[in-house]
Amino acid sequence: AAGVIQSPRHLIKEKRETATLKCYPIPRHDTVYWYQQGPGQDPQFLISFYEKMQSDKGSIPDRFSAQQFSDYHSELNMSSLELGDSALYFCASSFGNQPQHFGDGTRLSIL
Amino acid sequence: KQEVTQIPAALSVPEGENLVLNCSFTDSAIYNLQWFRQDPGKGLTSLLLIQSSQREQTSGRLNASLDKSSGRSTLYIAASQPGDSATYLCAVSNAGNMLTFGGGTRLMVKP
Repeated sequence: AAGVIQSPRHLIKEKRETATLKCYPIPRHDTVYWYQQGPGQDPQFLISFYEKMQSDKGSIPDRFSAQQFSDYHSELNMSSLELGDSALYFCASSFGNQPQHFGDGTRLSIL
Repeated sequence: KQEVTQIPAALSVPEGENLVLNCSFTDSAIYNLQWFRQDPGKGLTSLLLIQSSQREQTSGRLNASLDKSSGRSTLYIAASQPGDSATYLCAVSNAGNMLTFGGGTRLMVKP
């Protein structure tokens, strides 16, 4: 069965650079969620989209933005990267309020 | 604000033992509760989902219970195996379906 696809799997950036993470949800899933998991931390909700509209916002920094496109894939844009942004970024998708299915994550390392 | 706590933070048991992982949450107005497994540096694998109207769910050697009124859930693992070694995360969803995670229980099953 198709799963949530995230790209890239690994990304190395330097401070003050920008990064774009991509998420391709399971077909027919209409909701996408982004989570950030810092080293040794539990995942923290960042933002979600339902039918291409932002539905909820969590602890997402102002330097980050995200959107969901007409094909339902989503991108998380991160600017002015800081050392503390080094984390595993997960995308999950669901059909409405059904259980979320998680991708394998993008590991972002800031040098 | 929803807070999720997992006890113990770490657990080491010999192979074959039955064990219980605990999860508590502060806001009982949840839609559902999920238990996830996470291997080091890897993604989240959903193990069991309990809807707010349910009391328990079973899958193979795993059994999860939910006492919504007291804000508690337990994950019971029968006849533990070395392959069960991983971090187990409890997460609850409130309005909007975004998940709030506990800090996890790091399980080591020794052969």
